[in-house]
Amino acid sequence: DIQMTQSPPSLSASVGDRVTITCRASQTIRSYLNWYQQKPGTAPQLLIYAASSLQRGVPSRFSGSGSGTDFTLTISNLQPEDFATYYCQQSYSVPRAFGQGTKVEIK
Amino acid sequence: EVQLVQSGAEVRKPGESLNISCKASGYNFNTYWIGWVRQMPGKGLEWMGVIDPDDSDTRYSPSFEGQVTISADKSISTVFLQWSSLKASDTAIYYCARQDAIIVEPLANWFDPWGQGTLVTVSS
Repeated sequence: DIQMTQSPPSLSASVGDRVTITCRASQTIRSYLNWYQQKPGTAPQLLIYAASSLQRGVPSRFSGSGSGTDFTLTISNLQPEDFATYYCQQSYSVPRAFGQGTKVEIK
Repeated sequence: EVQLVQSGAEVRKPGESLNISCKASGYNFNTYWIGWVRQMPGKGLEWMGVIDPDDSDTRYSPSFEGQVTISADKSISTVFLQWSSLKASDTAIYYCARQDAIIVEPLANWFDPWGQGTLVTVSS
């Protein structure tokens, strides 16, 4: 099974900051990597699919990059509504594992 | 509007059986796989498995194979997650989600949208 490792597990940032979250796969997953945002008490929502494609309706301050084993999610100009937990997920093979999550908190 | 609506919260005792549901609307139910994701209290997301409602082809995570059963009823556009004998460690929120994909590149797939989640509590 492919293991997904996110870093950092949590971070503190201020409104307006640029935030970068990384996700590493235990073997190549080409560009088959998704990013989700989850706010407390709600279901996850898709942000980015296929490593860098922005889901319709998601603000352009979110961007994704990477291929192979190393990926990043960048949030530029962090907004109050962006404080949440972010998960990566590989879709290359079953089981399509998620990373353990990165919690973005207010500094 | 594409929607997945899950059944309500459940409380069961260890050893009991349970069936929770996920009803789809707003699209052709037969044309998208649907998956289940577990979130234990205060923890992250765990991919459980997916089903093709058209032919009930199912793929499970090894962590969940034999522990749960995923099924689908095309006549009512509903997918189910079933336990025959619950354990306290099954206490979690369970989400269903539609698996979308790039048609010409099926490995590029993702979950969207998600159901609202079903809280399952197993306690004696």
